[in-house]
This record gives sequence, C-alpha cells and structure tokens, in this order.
Amino acid sequence: LAKTTQPISMDSYEGQEVNITCSHNNIATNDYITWYQQFPSQGPRFIIQGYKTKVTNEVASLFIPADRKSSTLSLPRVSLSDTAVYYCLVGENTGFQKLVFGTGTRLLVSP
Amino acid sequence: DTGVSQDPRHKITKRGQNVTFRCDPISEHNRLYWYRQTLGQGPEFLTYFQNEAQLEKSRLLSDRFSAERPKGSFSTLEIQRTEQGDSAMYLCASSPQGGREQYFGPGTRLTVT
Repeated sequence: LAKTTQPISMDSYEGQEVNITCSHNNIATNDYITWYQQFPSQGPRFIIQGYKTKVTNEVASLFIPADRKSSTLSLPRVSLSDTAVYYCLVGENTGFQKLVFGTGTRLLVSP
Repeated sequence: DTGVSQDPRHKITKRGQNVTFRCDPISEHNRLYWYRQTLGQGPEFLTYFQNEAQLEKSRLLSDRFSAERPKGSFSTLEIQRTEQGDSAMYLCASSPQGGREQYFGPGTRLTVT
C-alpha cells in the first residue's frame, strides 16, 4: 500500500474553496485514490474516489495529475459543518481490503 | 436507519476486566472490518471477515483480543484482561463484495481505568 503525505491541518472561512493536497509518490498502477471524512466521535465516511484526471460528485472534486503522484481534494464553498479530519488513502480495491489511514488533515472552518 | 450499528457506544471498565463489543453491519454486506483509533491518530486495522471467515488479523491484535462473526452477520470483539493501553475508539465497518467504499459505524469508545 502506498504511503501518503498530507498537511496536518488547514484553516478556512465559510464560503471559501478548500484544496487539500495529498502526496503518494509510490502509487502503483492498480491503485485508486480515496478520500474519507471524519467528524469527532463518528466513524469515517467515504467522500470520493478516483483513478486519474478529475472526478466530481455532489460533495467534492478530486483532481489527479497525469503522473498520479499527488492528488487534490477540493471542497467548494465550505461551511462550518465541513470542519472535520480528511484522510487520503491509496490502494487497490479499497472497498474490500483493509484501509491504511494516516493522521489526516484537520480542517477548521471559521465564520 | 440501515447503517452499521455498534453497541455499546461507550464502555468504562477497570483494568483486568473483560469487555465485549458488538457490531451489526449493513444487511447483505459480506465483509466486516474492525479498526481501533486513538486520539489524534487515524484508524488502525485490526481484523476483517468475509462472511464468517476471519481472513486477516493485524499484529496489533494480541492474544487478549478475539473477534468472531459466527453466522456471517453480526460480529463481536472481545478484549480479555483489559489494559490502560486498550483505551481507544473501536470502529466497525462493512462493505459489499466488490464495493469501493467501507461504511463505518459510530464506534465504541472504551476507557480502561
């Protein structure tokens, strides 16, 4: 499983766009990039998954450059309720194998 | 609500006591996972089941820990002779075969005094 590196924390204000970058230099050909969100005292929740280029859903966008050695999770117009820890994970078939979490990025959204 | 449920949500026990946690996965999810999370850290994998078969165990799972999924539905995680270092949030997750995400429960917070 490829190791990931992401910022420990980020601060933002309501209404701003937040971009969280994750480095995964040793990503393998069959690996996908997956992001989870975790609120205090809750289990993590799947946000988005991608393999290359750009993926967008109702919650976020995921940008993956051609070399796939990094990825950026983009949260448009954040609100206070987006304050959470965001984890970047890399692996093959991350839905049905063990997940390897790092320490994540703690996002604080202020009014 | 048909999400993953865990019971109890909180457990306080004295060192040396045994504790058991229960996880009810989403119906028809054949994979079930247990993770442990300590303050400020991401979840750490403990073990997982496919149906009733336990397929992988982490080295974190000492011989004081045992997990079962007897009928391929709910699962239990037992910790014997608890130690203060066992204090953590114990998370359960499930996924369908071939699914791309795991669905986590709310966790059981264990405090060993």
